[in-house]
Amino acid sequence: GIQVEQSPPDLILQEGANSTLRCNFSDSVNNLQWFHQNPWGQLINLFYIPSGTKQNGRLSATTVATERYSLLYISSSQTTDSGVYFCAASMNTGFQKLVFGTGTRLLVSP
Amino acid sequence: SQTIHQWPATLVQPVGSPLSLECTVEGTSNPNLYWYRQAAGRGLQLLFYSVGIGQISSEVPQNLSASRPQDRQFILSSKKLLLSDSGFYLCAWSPRGGAYNSPLHFGNGTRLTVT
Repeated sequence: GIQVEQSPPDLILQEGANSTLRCNFSDSVNNLQWFHQNPWGQLINLFYIPSGTKQNGRLSATTVATERYSLLYISSSQTTDSGVYFCAASMNTGFQKLVFGTGTRLLVSP
Repeated sequence: SQTIHQWPATLVQPVGSPLSLECTVEGTSNPNLYWYRQAAGRGLQLLFYSVGIGQISSEVPQNLSASRPQDRQFILSSKKLLLSDSGFYLCAWSPRGGAYNSPLHFGNGTRLTVT
């Protein structure tokens, strides 16, 4: 099955800094999503982005499907951005069964 | 708008006891429904998914089972819990129309501790 790898595993930032999180996947995908899990465990869907670029406020994401990677950009980080960011992907065939990466744990300090 | 409800939020159960976790979705019809488990704060593993009433697919062999008695209701069960069943269980849904390319939305999860 598809493999999803995320980097870095941990990231510490000062408030106001920018960051880039990376997601590599091992096979062609037709579904790529980014999620944020807050310290209370709630998982929020940030982007559905199998290809191209999307922006939502201070967050943006780019997926280059032909090169099998996706990037999540966080600009002007805030303490509320802390948590774990997950990338998940599923392959071109069959029912949507998202495979999750192990996540990037982000801590934004004031 | 669509909402997903999952309960209870936390649960402590002794080994060998039964389990029933419930999930319901509001504001949509014919959703795809999923149960995921997260262990040790990282990595989500898909346990079950369902495309309709009574239709359940299992992804990994385990001590758990799932049922979908109504269109927007998904239940995770066990007859006898094991210590290894401890974890954070998340229910999720996606729109039926786009099985290959639909955003996934999660409930708030149930933190299960088996003692």
